[in-house]
Amino acid sequence: AQSVTQLDSQVPVFEEAPVELRCNYSSSVSVYLFWYVQYPNQGLQLLLKYLSGSTLVKGINGFEAEFNKSQTSFHLRKPSVHISDTAEYFCALGRSQGNLIFGKGTKLSVKP
Amino acid sequence: KAGVTQTPRYLIKTRGQQVTLSCSPISGHRSVSWYQQTPGQGLQFLFEYFSETQRNKGNFPGRFSGRQFSNSRSEMNVSTLELGDSALYLCASSIRDRTQNTEAFFGQGTRLTVV
Repeated sequence: AQSVTQLDSQVPVFEEAPVELRCNYSSSVSVYLFWYVQYPNQGLQLLLKYLSGSTLVKGINGFEAEFNKSQTSFHLRKPSVHISDTAEYFCALGRSQGNLIFGKGTKLSVKP
Repeated sequence: KAGVTQTPRYLIKTRGQQVTLSCSPISGHRSVSWYQQTPGQGLQFLFEYFSETQRNKGNFPGRFSGRQFSNSRSEMNVSTLELGDSALYLCASSIRDRTQNTEAFFGQGTRLTVV
């Protein structure tokens, strides 16, 4: 069965510090991986995606992620966070049937 | 290009009632998926419609149903509402070409509260 595990439910960090949000997946078939961000009372916004090709994926707002097949991971990173990055982040696995399987989410809290 | 539009944004219903939520996908997108988001269960897939046909379904009771119209707009219906149906319901649209898995674009969601 396919699944996604986000290893941290909450990550506090100071402004301008680097951050890594961890995501591990389980799948026996080729994977498509996504990171979404959700601000309070909003829908999900796509940050970046991995479909194939280069394992280092760059997204919006300075975020990037690295696909690691051997470790079945797709960790999200940003070298310097801002207060405005405070939000909940979701890692998702795209199934061939079309739907997404989401992790439980990581709440990023950026403190001044 | 307009994004995914969900209406209404907020809804309060009483147990036992039924509710219909609406979603207009991005122009040109033929696939519409619905997800339920709750604090306890997180984001769970309800169903996907493509060209007016349900193509995939999650593990939800038959009280949850949906349909898609010829213009790709979709509605989901929940009958005999229960308190546990209180959630944020998110609609996502995608091109959904069978040759590749493309990203889904989400609407703002409909916040349903059952009292």
